[in-house]
Amino acid sequence: EAQVTQNPRYLITVTGKKLTVTCSQNMNHEYMSWYRQDPGLGLRQIYYSMNVEVTDKGDVPEGYKVSRKEKRNFPLILESPSPNQTSLYFCASSFGLAGGRQETQYFGPGTRLLVL
Amino acid sequence: AQSVTQLGSHVSVSEGALVLLRCNYSSSVPPYLFWYVQYPNQGLQLLLKYTSAATLVKGINGFEAEFKKSETSFHLTKPSAHMSDAAEYFCAVWGAGSYQLTFGKGTKLSVIP
Repeated sequence: EAQVTQNPRYLITVTGKKLTVTCSQNMNHEYMSWYRQDPGLGLRQIYYSMNVEVTDKGDVPEGYKVSRKEKRNFPLILESPSPNQTSLYFCASSFGLAGGRQETQYFGPGTRLLVL
Repeated sequence: AQSVTQLGSHVSVSEGALVLLRCNYSSSVPPYLFWYVQYPNQGLQLLLKYTSAATLVKGINGFEAEFKKSETSFHLTKPSAHMSDAAEYFCAVWGAGSYQLTFGKGTKLSVIP
């Protein structure tokens, strides 16, 4: 089954304790992205990756890191989480922008993070 | 720069009534436009998308949207609401040549029996 998976689905942590949220897709997509969703603010992009070893900042990158060592995986790293990073996080993937076409993004089920 | 405005953070309709969710976009180049739906405690699912082919786009679950360049709008409609349509709906724009999908703030649809 074609899908984007995220782990963990729920996480409670404390301020300053490093954490990683994993994201994996099995559709051979070049493009991957992380979003955070907050009430009243919609989805805001944190980082995106056009392909392996190619990443760039989205609209709200502060406090986050990413890496893209393999095509299928795009982990989100919070080196020193703070309470304002409490949010619902989504990973998404799509085929690339070849030919100028913008492909549909497929979303994972979400990771709900609470930072105390 | 590109942006999306969704008018109305909450919309309530009666079961069987017309659903109209509004979306206006701002883009310096012809955009690609999407509507996504999020059911409670789930991820986002594509409803439909406009990619410069037909201006009237039909999606899943009986939804459709019309691209109106002169009004910079891409409103979502459904002739007859069903209880199962209760969800949050997001409009998104991807400007041609951009590497980002920009979302609106969402509209939560409630369907009253």
